[in-house]
Amino acid sequence: SAVISQKPSRDICQRGTSLTIQCQVDSQVTMMFWYRQQPGQSLTLIATANQGSEATYESGFVIDKFPISRPNLTFSTLTVSNMSPEDSSIYLCSVSRDNEQFFGPGTRLTVL
Amino acid sequence: GQQVMQIPQYQHVQEGEDFTTYCNSSTTLSNIQWYKQRPGGHPVFLIQLVKSGEVKKQKRLTFQFGEAKKNSSLHITATQTTDVGTYFCAVSGSARQLTFGSGTQLTVLP
Repeated sequence: SAVISQKPSRDICQRGTSLTIQCQVDSQVTMMFWYRQQPGQSLTLIATANQGSEATYESGFVIDKFPISRPNLTFSTLTVSNMSPEDSSIYLCSVSRDNEQFFGPGTRLTVL
Repeated sequence: GQQVMQIPQYQHVQEGEDFTTYCNSSTTLSNIQWYKQRPGGHPVFLIQLVKSGEVKKQKRLTFQFGEAKKNSSLHITATQTTDVGTYFCAVSGSARQLTFGSGTQLTVLP
């Protein structure tokens, strides 16, 4: 299994500002994933973060809006930049182990 | 990427009744995974199916993968209040990234 923590658990932000979300895993992993879950919706993959290389972004998500860092094999950050109310969502990081994906508790972001 | 449609969107059942959610794809799927998300929680892995016609059981939960590997179902027998949550199917890609279905929100009435 994998134990994943995220900080902050929730935040309320003003539009135009940025928020950086941290994700910590209890053991080394090659890839970490960032998902977004808008209110009442399913999960959508934002990007895949490999240690030592640029993150791979899914269609509809760009690095300028969601810059990602992956400084080591147990940690990653996702920044939500220049926020608008449409960015209000839960952001979850996850890792895969033995074909099973483990999710962090999520960061609930509200943008006013 | 591989897309999956999931129905129904919502299901209300009386405690003790059965529940089924379905995932369908227009293309052959390499695998299908199922997750449960309790209200206010994060998705938790239930199972992965990879073989044509595969059927797996976990206590009151039965998971099926269609013969053509284009559909899958999750069936819960005799629902309990602890079954409340949203059930998602998902397809795992080559890099283990997940494409989720839209989910079925299950409400169990006591």
